[in-house]
Amino acid sequence: DAKTTQPPSMDCAEGRAANLPCNHSTISGNEYVYWYRQIHSQGPQYIIHGLKNNETNEMASLIITEDRKSSTLILPHATLRDTAVYYCIVRVGTGANNLFFGTGTRLTVIP
Amino acid sequence: KAGVTQTPRYLIKTRGQQVTLSCSPISGHRSVSWYQQTPGQGLQFLFEYFSETQRNKGNFPGRFSGRQFSNSRSEMNVSTLELGDSALYLCASSFTGATTDTQYFGPGTRLTVL
Repeated sequence: DAKTTQPPSMDCAEGRAANLPCNHSTISGNEYVYWYRQIHSQGPQYIIHGLKNNETNEMASLIITEDRKSSTLILPHATLRDTAVYYCIVRVGTGANNLFFGTGTRLTVIP
Repeated sequence: KAGVTQTPRYLIKTRGQQVTLSCSPISGHRSVSWYQQTPGQGLQFLFEYFSETQRNKGNFPGRFSGRQFSNSRSEMNVSTLELGDSALYLCASSFTGATTDTQYFGPGTRLTVL
């Protein structure tokens, strides 16, 4: 699976959009981009995933650049409950079914 | 639909003992994966079970083992506990275990080894 690079930490004001970047410059054509988050000492929570098109669900939007070398997770109106560590993971479409978690981005939403 | 459940949520053991952790996947999910999370190593893959067979295994010693039952419930066992085994153990389930299937995690079991 391709390696991802994320900033170690970010702050966001409550009510504003949180934009979390992820670099995956070695991504292959059949690798998906997944986002999970983990609130302190809880199990990771699935947020969203995509292959090449932008995706949106009730939690967030995922913007993938045209060359697929980077992506941005957008939380449109951050709340205090969105404070968590956010993990960007790329997964190949075939092969072993296991997730490689990096160190993620610690997002702190400030009142 | 109920999520992934793990029992117990907290466990305290002493060195040399063994421990068994349980995971019930989301109804209809047949793949169960286990992960270990420690402050130093982060989240690491232990193994995956599908249809009662271990399909993939991470880089952990043989003291870590698991099994899956016909109802897809899974257990993992750690024998001869070491202090370094103190961690949050997470279970995740998915429909078939295909890499395009989303994995959903349980709340974890916090194991403390004294």
